[in-house]
Amino acid sequence: AQTVTQSQPEMSVQEAETVTLSCTYDTSESDYYLFWYKQPPSRQMILVIRQEAYKQQNATENRFSVNFQKAAKSFSLKISDSQLGDAAMYFCAYRSYTGTASKLTFGTGTRLQVTL
Amino acid sequence: DAGVIQSPRHEVTEMGQEVTLRCKPISGHDYLFWYRQTMMRGLELLIYFNNNVPIDDSGMPEDRFSAKMPNASFSTLKIQPSEPRDSAVYFCASSLVLAGLQFFGPGTRLTVL
Repeated sequence: AQTVTQSQPEMSVQEAETVTLSCTYDTSESDYYLFWYKQPPSRQMILVIRQEAYKQQNATENRFSVNFQKAAKSFSLKISDSQLGDAAMYFCAYRSYTGTASKLTFGTGTRLQVTL
Repeated sequence: DAGVIQSPRHEVTEMGQEVTLRCKPISGHDYLFWYRQTMMRGLELLIYFNNNVPIDDSGMPEDRFSAKMPNASFSTLKIQPSEPRDSAVYFCASSLVLAGLQFFGPGTRLTVL
């Protein structure tokens, strides 16, 4: 079974600075998806970024980028130019690429605080 | 599109009562997922449907939980009888295809007293 580990329960960053959230996972599969979801106080789960394991290029979405290290099974999220609105819980998630195993396996989350 | 719609947003009930949570997926999405979020267990998949048919219900905790999808635009998650340990936030999500992005609803916060 796949597992996702987020070892940082809480992180803090100053506005306009850069922060990196860590995520590691364990799988025996070669093809899969990795995601970062943001959950603000409203509880809505918002997709931040997605990475396909077969792609070597790291995904980027505006101020959000990932450092995907397949051999190390590491998938960190970098937030540049942090904004107050970035404060939220961030969840790393794994999903198999094929078959009926479409479920998302989530990490335990990292709470990000953004300070002035 | 309004996104995934869930109701109610908050539910407070007493132990032993029946609870029904509702979900309307994004129109055209063939896959619907029910997740539960608790402090102890984090986010976990309970069940998912494809074209209204349950595909994987291995995450359903016990017989007190049941889920149905009578049509493409509506699904329910029922707990009968409810227990305090069922208190959690329940999310519904939908996706267009099996490998597609899952879009989450706002969640239902359930409190069982």
